[in-house]
Amino acid sequence: SQTIHQWPATLVQPVGSPLSLECTVEGTSNPNLYWYRQAAGRGLQLLFYSVGIGQISSEVPQNLSASRPQDRQFILSSKKLLLSDSGFYLCAWSVRRTNYGYTFGSGTRLTVV
Amino acid sequence: RKEVEQDPGPFNVPEGATVAFNCTYSNSASQSFFWYRQDCRKEPKLLMSVYSSGNEDGRFTAQLNRASQYISLLIRDSKLSDSATYLCVVRGDKLIFGTGTRLQVFP
Repeated sequence: SQTIHQWPATLVQPVGSPLSLECTVEGTSNPNLYWYRQAAGRGLQLLFYSVGIGQISSEVPQNLSASRPQDRQFILSSKKLLLSDSGFYLCAWSVRRTNYGYTFGSGTRLTVV
Repeated sequence: RKEVEQDPGPFNVPEGATVAFNCTYSNSASQSFFWYRQDCRKEPKLLMSVYSSGNEDGRFTAQLNRASQYISLLIRDSKLSDSATYLCVVRGDKLIFGTGTRLQVFP
């Protein structure tokens, strides 16, 4: 069966520090991968999605970036965090070229202080 | 106009009650539709897909009206464990999430 792993679960980082969140999927090949952010009391905002290795689409201009170095690995990064980067970051995957929903990882709760 | 709109609630209902949520979407070319459930401080989890003919999963019934571009979720015989936020989700080339409707079931 397919599983998605996301870590760390919680993170407290000072303003201006770098960020790296990792997400891996097991049990499937060629998944579509997504990074979402959910600010406190807000809806899910799509940040990046990827349909293949090295292929990244950005939905929202910001100081975050994403990379997909391997088929089942998706990384969210920042060189310098802002207070406004605080939120609940969720990685998700879906089967390519289908109308299925997405399966989410357990999320990373980031607090920038 | 938001792509997916939901009443944020909260809906406070007693155990055993029937409760209905509605959702509207703006893109008539949307291809598929879902309801997700999100517990506090947890990730969203797929509750059910929504089909044009309507579909039922136990106490949950989902309906889609393409002409009016709205989706509904009906929960019968509410349980305390149904307390959560319910997200309406629409898929075009990617999933678009509503901001959710919060349900609180009380004893």
